[in-house]
Amino acid sequence: NAGVTQTPKFQVLKTGQSMTLQCAQDMNHEYMSWYRQDPGMGLRLIHYSVGAGITDQGEVPNGYNVSRSTTEDFPLRLLSAAPSQTSVYFCASSPGQGAWEQYFGPGTRLTVT
Amino acid sequence: AQSVTQLGSHVSVSEGALVLLRCNYSSSVPPYLFWYVQYPNQGLQLLLKYTTGATLVKGINGFEAEFKKSETSFHLTKPSAHMSDAAEYFCAVSDRKVGSNSGYALNFGKGTSLLVTP
Repeated sequence: NAGVTQTPKFQVLKTGQSMTLQCAQDMNHEYMSWYRQDPGMGLRLIHYSVGAGITDQGEVPNGYNVSRSTTEDFPLRLLSAAPSQTSVYFCASSPGQGAWEQYFGPGTRLTVT
Repeated sequence: AQSVTQLGSHVSVSEGALVLLRCNYSSSVPPYLFWYVQYPNQGLQLLLKYTTGATLVKGINGFEAEFKKSETSFHLTKPSAHMSDAAEYFCAVSDRKVGSNSGYALNFGKGTSLLVTP
């Protein structure tokens, strides 16, 4: 099993550009989520999904879109990048069904200039 | 929503000394609690978790944590620090709500950076 994979590892964007951060898991997990990590802030939840076709907002959803068309994939879209979105982004998945721990991908480091 | 407070953003210990990282939570329901470790430029790795049952939980790499409901705490300990333990540690609580889709979301503390000196 590859676990949770994320691409790209690094990305530099200009203000106003859009892009998609990719996330995939091969563990057949129902639950997937996106977090951003900023210095001194811990991790904050952006969006999450409890299954294909079902998504919902987390703590900091503004400026981001998600969709979940398959169990395996959960892409995060930045609609119009802003410097405030400079961060490290982590995707995570959980088996659900009473197993509450989440498994994290290696992260994408995004810089918006 | 449930929340977590980690006391001390930086902790320094000598190699071989006791490691104690503090975590307190606020919760209106019995929580699920987690400790994660993050090595530089890597993702988060689960160290241990408390869901139900035994309040003393053992994890990987010799770490353990004890759930104390009366103190709303879930402190992480290790008897003897190794140089390889230097990392960022995060305590997290599940925002578990019966019947809610948000039940799997984790609320993280701001992290504690552990430095181990020779």
